[in-house]
Order: sequence, then C-alpha cells, then structure tokens
Amino acid sequence: DAGITQSPRHKVTETGTPVTLRCHQTENHRYMYWYRQDPGHGLRLIHYSYGVKDTDKGEVSDGYSVSRSKTEDFLLTLESATSSQTSVYFCAIKTGGPQETQYFGPGTRLLVL
Amino acid sequence: QKEVEQDPGPLSVPEGAIVSLNCTYSNSAFQYFMWYRQYSRKGPELLMYTYSSGNKEDGRFTAQVDKSSKYISLFIRDSQPSDSATYLCAMSPAGGTSYGKLTFGQGTILTVHP
Repeated sequence: DAGITQSPRHKVTETGTPVTLRCHQTENHRYMYWYRQDPGHGLRLIHYSYGVKDTDKGEVSDGYSVSRSKTEDFLLTLESATSSQTSVYFCAIKTGGPQETQYFGPGTRLLVL
Repeated sequence: QKEVEQDPGPLSVPEGAIVSLNCTYSNSAFQYFMWYRQYSRKGPELLMYTYSSGNKEDGRFTAQVDKSSKYISLFIRDSQPSDSATYLCAMSPAGGTSYGKLTFGQGTILTVHP
C-alpha cells in the first residue's frame, strides 16, 4: 500500500464550512498528488507537490488549496465547501527509479450537504 | 474532447472468458502507460506498467501499446469473478517538466459472473 494513509476516511459537512483532508506517507517520496473521483470522470488531478512547500495546480483546482510543510504530509483544504465538492478524494505518491508511477491511498469519502 | 477516452461499459462476461479493455488518446507526448484496477470502495492499485510501444505480459494479464494508433489495450485471459472491478487506464509524458502527472480514462466497470 506504499505506506499511504488518509484521514478522515469519511466526512459529512455543511455547505460553506472549511474542510481539511490529510494525506500521510511513511516512505519519504518527493511527489504527492490529490485527486477527486466522480462518476463519469475517472480521476482528476486537483493539486500536486514536488517537494516541501512546492505545490502547483492540477486540472480542477478551483475551490481547493494545499499545503506541504513536511515531506510526509500533504493537506488538501476546501476553503468553503460546496455540494459540487461531494466526491471521493484520493492521495497518491510517485515512486522513483526505472518504473516511475503512482500509488494511491485508500480514499476519503466527503459529503457536503 | 477528452485527452484519454475509455468506454465506461459496464462489461459483463462469463468466467473463463477473454476480456479486452481499451483506451484511445490524443496527446502524442504520452510515453508511459498504466492500467489500474479498483475494487469497490478502495483506492486504485497498479496492475500493469508499460513504457512506449509494445506488449507486456504478467500472468493472465497482457498490456499492449500502439503509439502509431494512439491506442492501448489490456487483455485478461481466463477471467475470474475476482477480476470484477473498475479498470482505469492512465498515461503520462516523459520528462521532468511533467512532474509525473497522470491523465486517466474514466474507467471501465467489469463484472465476471460464475
């Protein structure tokens, strides 16, 4: 499972409230990613990080911010949650070496009422 | 038009059948091609990884990449009920400026019935 944990695993919140999701990895990987998964859309990249304090936007970044103050933690914040942000959120890390690819965490199910 | 197109199915086959899953793409810069399997309410897990064109086999699974046609396939031989899952294709360009970002197809839901 590449040592990736996500918290919380499930969350119900109300429109307009801020929400922070946490991704934690234990293997010191440099690259980390946040995706959302919705029916009919597959996985879409929200934000990614290529090092401590180095982050950039993905395909669907509006309404989201991220922070990475330590190698092991990558936080995703919904600044003011909306119903359209109801989704399953996955964190991923990228390994190095000859086969560079991404491994995913177990996901966080978020419901915004 | 999406960069990566994948038929969402659903696809239902009998146990023992050969399954063919496919994706097409439009970005000629893609060099790395992956297939992920995702069981219900779980995270995607890497199934196959291929660089550039060609075939790769791993047990009952074979991945094919045809860059000239911008078409990738995953074949599952002797399919089992435990293969029932959503299969996602993913791809990325080579080079450091891509930051390893993946572009995914929307996933194909496969059910293998006994």
